[in-house]
Amino acid sequence: SQKIEQNSEALNIQEGKTATLTCNYTNYSPAYLQWYRQDPGRGPVFLLLIRENEKEKRKERLKVTFDTTLKQSLFHITASQPADSATYLCALRSYNTDKLIFGTGTRLQVFP
Amino acid sequence: DAGVIQSPRHEVTEMGQEVTLRCKPISGHNSLFWYRQTMMRGLELLIYFNNNVPIDDSGMPEDRFSAKMPNASFSTLKIQPSEPRDSAVYFCASRQRGDRESKASTDTQYFGPGTRLTVL
Repeated sequence: SQKIEQNSEALNIQEGKTATLTCNYTNYSPAYLQWYRQDPGRGPVFLLLIRENEKEKRKERLKVTFDTTLKQSLFHITASQPADSATYLCALRSYNTDKLIFGTGTRLQVFP
Repeated sequence: DAGVIQSPRHEVTEMGQEVTLRCKPISGHNSLFWYRQTMMRGLELLIYFNNNVPIDDSGMPEDRFSAKMPNASFSTLKIQPSEPRDSAVYFCASRQRGDRESKASTDTQYFGPGTRLTVL
């Protein structure tokens, strides 16, 4: 069956360090993979999109990698700040559909 | 732009009652999605519309759930009768669905603030 897995345990890191979050998937042939941020009591907010033929995407302090052989995406936040504390969700979209399937998310806590 | 608007923000009802959740997508967007989020199951797609037409409702849990989109600026998700296991946060999201060549650039979904539903 299709599955998208993210670390269910919270990731706690110190301010200034690089946070790395993992998204693994099985039985998908994704056209695109996206990362969203969700704060408590709010809806998810889009951060980055990476296509299947792209290896890496960057936006300011954010970097996403996509390895279709390993079926894995890594999401990096460099020089992390307490304001980066949130839950981060990965989402996949396959070809021939508009459906976006979300992982369960990883909670990131950045301590000063 | 005001973003995606959902109402009510909170709803507490008793088992067996009818519940109607409302969504106003971003003006100009032509795709609308309804999701449900719980701690156990995460964010699940219930149904989505393109140009007001339901495309995929395979995520709708059962016949008690129904969704409509009578026009491009309004959608409802109805639960009748409601049950305690329906308690969750329900999100609406909209998107500007582009043509095949520009699909990547228009694949962003914009989420509303959600409706927290509690069924007692």
